[in-house]
Amino acid sequence: TQLLEQSPQFLSIQEGENLTVYCNSSSVFSSLQWYRQEPGEGPVLLVTVVTGGEVKKLKRLTFQFGDARKDSSLHITAAQPGDTGLYLCAGDRLDTGFQKLVFGTGTRLLVSP
Amino acid sequence: GAGVSQSPSNKVTEKGKDVELRCDPISGHTALYWYRQSLGQGLEFLIYFQGNSAPDKSGLPSDRFSAERTGGSVSTLTIQRTQQEDSAVYLCASSLGVGLRTDTQYFGPGTRLTVL
Repeated sequence: TQLLEQSPQFLSIQEGENLTVYCNSSSVFSSLQWYRQEPGEGPVLLVTVVTGGEVKKLKRLTFQFGDARKDSSLHITAAQPGDTGLYLCAGDRLDTGFQKLVFGTGTRLLVSP
Repeated sequence: GAGVSQSPSNKVTEKGKDVELRCDPISGHTALYWYRQSLGQGLEFLIYFQGNSAPDKSGLPSDRFSAERTGGSVSTLTIQRTQQEDSAVYLCASSLGVGLRTDTQYFGPGTRLTVL
């Protein structure tokens, strides 16, 4: 059972376009994290959101945690080829502890020049 | 080294053989995690260590999987009698282990296991 569903699964866009990736669940999470993973490497943490409704910005990336703490979104403005990679959301459930992260299904992003 | 290291980077084995995968965490990190990443299942939690103890082994798929950590540092994940469905990338991560929700996990590059 996949607790965190991401959409879309694949996204191929041109440099300069905007995009949004969604991470949805029927479960409530204490916090939610976004990672980016490149081929042959482990995931790298981009951001952690812990409060319902929280919005965090990291340069051209904007992350939002849903009010009910069941969903999150990642918006990229003016995408660049360097943004190419696998984007993963991950959360820790209230009943399992923050050490046991549940990962989403992943969104593979390709940004072409 | 500065980051989490894992060895070997690639492992090809025959069905039924045992394999050992090694993880060297970042120096000073007391928490260590093992995950498995496969095409069909995404990235799934296997086990977590705090020091040498494993408070949560709930993610281990079967009793063929075991892990240990000695000296609060290096960890070994052992898979006995490997099956083809064990083929995946096995990722290790470590964190300070200070008990905060914002405790960042740093991942190694993974070991790609192929069971023929």
